[in-house]
Amino acid sequence: EVQLLESGGGLVQPGVSLRLSCAASGFTFSTYAMGWVRQAPGKGLEWVSAISGSGGSTYYADSVKGRFTISRDNSKNTVYLQMNSLRAEDTAVYYCAKTRGSSSSWFVEYWGQGTLVTVSS
Amino acid sequence: EIVLTQSPATLSLSPGERATLSCRASQSLSIYLAWYQQRPGQAPRLLIYDASNRATGIPARFSGSGSGTDFTLTISSLEPEDFAVYYCQQRSNWPPTFGQGTRLEIK
Repeated sequence: EVQLLESGGGLVQPGVSLRLSCAASGFTFSTYAMGWVRQAPGKGLEWVSAISGSGGSTYYADSVKGRFTISRDNSKNTVYLQMNSLRAEDTAVYYCAKTRGSSSSWFVEYWGQGTLVTVSS
Repeated sequence: EIVLTQSPATLSLSPGERATLSCRASQSLSIYLAWYQQRPGQAPRLLIYDASNRATGIPARFSGSGSGTDFTLTISSLEPEDFAVYYCQQRSNWPPTFGQGTRLEIK
């Protein structure tokens, strides 16, 4: 059974940093691209970032480029999202996403339960 | 960035009825479109990928069709658990984008 367990969310002030983690199990982790999709309260879905199975390719939405960094540790079956210079508009539930392929297959086959990030003073 | 426009915004139907949801893209996607269902308080769930392929465990009452810029999700006979929000999403290029959602509510 595929499981994606996010951690690291919380309430932070604007300008600070936060790191999200997603521990995966139930599949061959290094074979699949992974990513993060967020949903602001009462709003729709937005792909934030993605990383290929090998970790050699990374992708970012324009809204987070230069502030967020995605990485993965295939030895630990974990993907990370380092979020710097957080803004109020980054407030959202962040979902860890397992895609259907190793790279460029940006359909989310499995979703984590989500972790809430609230940026507010 | 590819824009996906879903219609209608809200669809009011009764259990047992047929639901037809639409998604139109601002440029051709070939078949690279998916549909997701999101129930209140839950993460989305993949229903259909590559326009017409049902994801693992998805009931046969869900079907997808279309190519290019026009796509349809059909639910042949609504069950009570089908009343939720539905999103389409393209993977033709980065960034993958979602439609704004169609809320399927009980009439």
